[in-house]
Amino acid sequence: GAVVSQHPSRVICKSGTSVKIECRSLDFQATTMFWYRQFPKKSLMLMATSNEGSKATYEQGVEKDKFLINHASLTLSTLTVTSAHPEDSSFYICSATPGQRSYEQYFGPGTRLTVT
Amino acid sequence: GQSLEQPSEVTAVEGAIVQINCTYQTSGFYGLSWYQQHDGGAPTFLSYNALDGLEETGRFSSFLSRSDSYGYLLLQELQMKDSASYFCAVRVAYSGAGSYQLTFGKGTKLSVIP
Repeated sequence: GAVVSQHPSRVICKSGTSVKIECRSLDFQATTMFWYRQFPKKSLMLMATSNEGSKATYEQGVEKDKFLINHASLTLSTLTVTSAHPEDSSFYICSATPGQRSYEQYFGPGTRLTVT
Repeated sequence: GQSLEQPSEVTAVEGAIVQINCTYQTSGFYGLSWYQQHDGGAPTFLSYNALDGLEETGRFSSFLSRSDSYGYLLLQELQMKDSASYFCAVRVAYSGAGSYQLTFGKGTKLSVIP
């Protein structure tokens, strides 16, 4: 099946620093990639949708200047949390679809971010 | 916007059958998906219904009634490893580049007991 990887799996950073999270589709080309945020025992909240070569579309309430998304190729999308604060601590998960009409999203294993 | 309702917790006995319901309100509905997520892990795809009726995949089945804005996931012959959170998600059109998005429910935590 389709595999999506994320790196790093866990990261601890100090308040005020920036962290980059990579999401890669390993065996398929991902036309669209999604970034979610999940708090403990809560649902997945869509943060943004990105298509290769174009700007990401952010959901309401998500600061695009704080959560920078770059979908540089059909296999790689990155999320950079800029000037991180403790309230940004969360589980960040990416997903990818192989085609615009695909109904299945393949999820990465997630990145646990802790900001101290 | 979209909203989905599903029970927060369900407990069932190993070997039994359990049904997890999901009701939704949305515009631009294309289908209902179900995902399983174990603690600390990534969601994994279970099933997708675009049309009314029952879809069966092994021990798992999923049902959709578009007129009732309702669906359910049915798990048969429950095993201990089925203990996880189960999310229903509506697939809706996304304005950018003809793609689709998923909006997830809050999840149902299933506990399977011996």
